[in-house]
Amino acid sequence: QVQLVESGGGVVQPGGSLTLSCAASGFTFSGFGMHWVRQAPGRGLEWVAFIRYAGSHTYYADSVKGRFTSSRDNSQNTLYLQMNSLRPEDTGVYYCAKDFYGSGFYPTTLDSWGQGTLVTVSS
Amino acid sequence: QSALTQPPSASGSPGQSVTISCTGTSSDVGGYNYVSWYQQHPGKAPKLMIFEVHKRPSGVPDRFSGSKSGNTASLTVSGLQAEDEADYYCSSYAGTNHLLFGGGTKLTVL
Repeated sequence: QVQLVESGGGVVQPGGSLTLSCAASGFTFSGFGMHWVRQAPGRGLEWVAFIRYAGSHTYYADSVKGRFTSSRDNSQNTLYLQMNSLRPEDTGVYYCAKDFYGSGFYPTTLDSWGQGTLVTVSS
Repeated sequence: QSALTQPPSASGSPGQSVTISCTGTSSDVGGYNYVSWYQQHPGKAPKLMIFEVHKRPSGVPDRFSGSKSGNTASLTVSGLQAEDEADYYCSSYAGTNHLLFGGGTKLTVL
């Protein structure tokens, strides 16, 4: 079955950087777009980024555009989120999720989720 | 782009039906049939319950159903059970390669 395992979370100072990873298994990773979604403590879900199956196109929420970069290594079945210029409002649990549609071009439906990794931005 | 609007809370007794709304605009909910619903229990990852407005993934009970009228989508849970108590989030493709979530609705089974 699909398994997604995030790692790389931790405590970082405002203005700092952090890279999250998501190890995927149980499906043909190279055939599906992937998402990052975050959830601030006690708050709702916020879509962060989507990367197409081949990694050729990435799309971001306005709140992170220019600061976050999503990438993937299809040979290693791994998804990444490079986060720069971090702010306290970036604090939360970051989930990676698989898109439902194989070779999908756009962020639409998240059918499998990891358990998340906590990022805390604080001095 | 603003988050989709959901009521903060909903409730019902076991066996009853409850409907949760998700209101957007013609640029998101009203413009595309890519509305999904997710269930999240405390401390757990979200789970896809409905996609493409009304379709259920394999394994989701048929007590869960979805619909859409204009700019408002709805999730109906029939025959409420204790395990249905959770937070529910809607999402919609919003064009320009963006996805929007609703603010979430806490469903309480009385």
